[in-house]
Amino acid sequence: QVTLKESGPALVKPTQTLTLTCTFSGFSLSTRGMRVSWIRQPPGKALEWLARTDWDDDKFYSTSLKTRLTISKDTSKNQVVLTMTNMDPVDTATYYCARMLGSYPSYYFDYWGQGTLVTVSS
Amino acid sequence: QSVLTQPPSVSAAPGQKVTISCSGSSSYIGNNYVSWYQQLPGTAPKLLIYDNNKRPSGIPDRFSGSKSATSATLGITGLQTGDEADYYCGTWDSSLRAGVFGGGTKLTVL
Repeated sequence: QVTLKESGPALVKPTQTLTLTCTFSGFSLSTRGMRVSWIRQPPGKALEWLARTDWDDDKFYSTSLKTRLTISKDTSKNQVVLTMTNMDPVDTATYYCARMLGSYPSYYFDYWGQGTLVTVSS
Repeated sequence: QSVLTQPPSVSAAPGQKVTISCSGSSSYIGNNYVSWYQQLPGTAPKLLIYDNNKRPSGIPDRFSGSKSATSATLGITGLQTGDEADYYCGTWDSSLRAGVFGGGTKLTVL
């Protein structure tokens, strides 16, 4: 059974760095073809893809946010960590991690975490 | 503003059929496979369709997907009140090497 769960602070101040952890089970990120992405959703708005890490340590980032994002994985702990620097109130959103399957040109998110709401406010 | 364009809302009566479109440039949709997600109020998105028209195990055949050169369509037949949700299309931009989603469509079952 595949599960993912996000954890991190519910409240961060502007200019601070956000660190979120995705802890998953039911698969290994050392298995070929496995990937994990982070996706966010501001209140009442659409999904926005943020970053992805692959089984072979390849990494991809949103072009508009890449200077602020870092994604990393700890295969032994079954965790993926996302850091986002210089947080702003517009970054207030629910942050999801999701398992990503497929191979070029097909990629899709088959399992999602429950999401964690991060509010940016002083 | 999302790079994949969806209608903000659609509605239909119970038992009827509805379609939701997702349009974009050839670099987004034309060259890649499209997936669809259902987000019930207050919950995480759930995979409905992948590879344009495939259903994961457990997804009823009331849900279907199709794709043309620059657009994809989600079809839902036999509408139920439990289908009221936001629906998102998504794909991978092979040139930017980034994921993209549509702006979402709110389905109301009248």
